[in-house]
Amino acid sequence: AQSVTQLGSHVSVSEGALVLLRCNYSSSVPPYLFWYVQYPNQGLQLLLKYTTGATLVKGINGFEAEFKKSETSFHLTKPSAHMSDAAEYFCAVSENFNKFYFGSGTKLNVKP
Amino acid sequence: DAGITQSPRYKITETGRQVTLMCHQTWSHSYMFWYRQDLGHGLRLIYYSAAADITDKGEVPDGYVVSRSKTENFPLTLESATRSQTSVYFCASSDRGRITGELFFGEGSRLTVL
Repeated sequence: AQSVTQLGSHVSVSEGALVLLRCNYSSSVPPYLFWYVQYPNQGLQLLLKYTTGATLVKGINGFEAEFKKSETSFHLTKPSAHMSDAAEYFCAVSENFNKFYFGSGTKLNVKP
Repeated sequence: DAGITQSPRYKITETGRQVTLMCHQTWSHSYMFWYRQDLGHGLRLIYYSAAADITDKGEVPDGYVVSRSKTENFPLTLESATRSQTSVYFCASSDRGRITGELFFGEGSRLTVL
């Protein structure tokens, strides 16, 4: 069975500061990993994904994430937060693209 | 490019009533999914479908029924709504990795059961 754990339901950073959102997963096989972002009253949009190849993946809006198999982690980072980054972020895992399992989400607040 | 659309976007109903949430996608994606989003739980999979006439249960299927007679439509029915089914429901589709491997989401249907 797959599961996803996101540490911290709320994270608050100052504008210009580093953003770090944590995601750990459990999977019996090498997984496919995703980060989605949700703005208020909207559906989820893909930020980035890891399927194969380079373990450091870059996404939209300056976000990136690194797949660390030994740590079963896929943490999301952005060097410098912007006010427009305030949203809820979801980590997701899939073994074969037929089911996707999501973490409980992390709400990012960006302070001016 | 219409993408994936859900209707209604907002619905208020009473306990015991039947409610159907509609989902339509224009990409001919083979896979479609229904999730519910609740505070503290993130998104939980209710049902998914691999193709027309093929559906399977997810994590929280009780109280829900789905059908998929056409590839582009995947309605979700609450046969007798309960207060615990008050939630935001998201439909999603995927080409199962053939091109992008990601889920594409609708804008959600907010259901309140009184």
